[in-house]
Amino acid sequence: AQSVTQLGSHVSVSEGALVLLRCNYSSSVPPYLFWYVQYPNQGLQLLLKYTTGATLVKGINGFEAEFKKSETSFHLTKPSAHMSDAAEYFCAVSGYGNEKLTFGTGTRLTIIP
Amino acid sequence: EAGVTQFPSHSVIEKGQTVTLRCDPISGHDNLYWYRRVMGKEIKFLLHFVKESKQDESGMPNNRFLAERTGGTYSTLKVQPAELEDSGVYFCASSQDRRGGAKNIQYFGAGTRLSVL
Repeated sequence: AQSVTQLGSHVSVSEGALVLLRCNYSSSVPPYLFWYVQYPNQGLQLLLKYTTGATLVKGINGFEAEFKKSETSFHLTKPSAHMSDAAEYFCAVSGYGNEKLTFGTGTRLTIIP
Repeated sequence: EAGVTQFPSHSVIEKGQTVTLRCDPISGHDNLYWYRRVMGKEIKFLLHFVKESKQDESGMPNNRFLAERTGGTYSTLKVQPAELEDSGVYFCASSQDRRGGAKNIQYFGAGTRLSVL
């Protein structure tokens, strides 16, 4: 069984400030981890993913995430927030032999000018 | 290249009526998934097609939901009869082929917002 916990359903940061969105997972098999973003009236877009190999993963739009097995975490960060980052972000997990994605409840990111 | 397309974008129906949602995956994608997000909750898996076959339907809530994928192309999800708790956003996703398995990127559509009154 797999599960994902996203701490904070709403996060607000000032433009130019660090963005940190938290994700913890539980998985009975080696996890594959994903961050998706949803902009208004659009589908979910993949930001980045971890499957194997390097634990620091870089994605689109300046985002990155680090897989920490000991902490069962996959937090999403961006050094400097931009107004265009305002959206809802979803962390998800799947694993070998289990293709369906298990999502967290999502975090809505607001950028303060 | 066209992305995953879902029709309609929004549907409002009364309890007891029937609704059919459609998903057109990215051309050539063997895998097609349906997910649902009830308001305020997480996005939950409903089922997974590989071509025209149901690979995993463990997330289907009950027998009022029927999914089909004729000829391995587009898919439909029918709810009959609809209940109030069926309201939510229904997402469709597709991914390429079997070899990548769970590593395959799933590409999502914009979703269909279903409101049952």
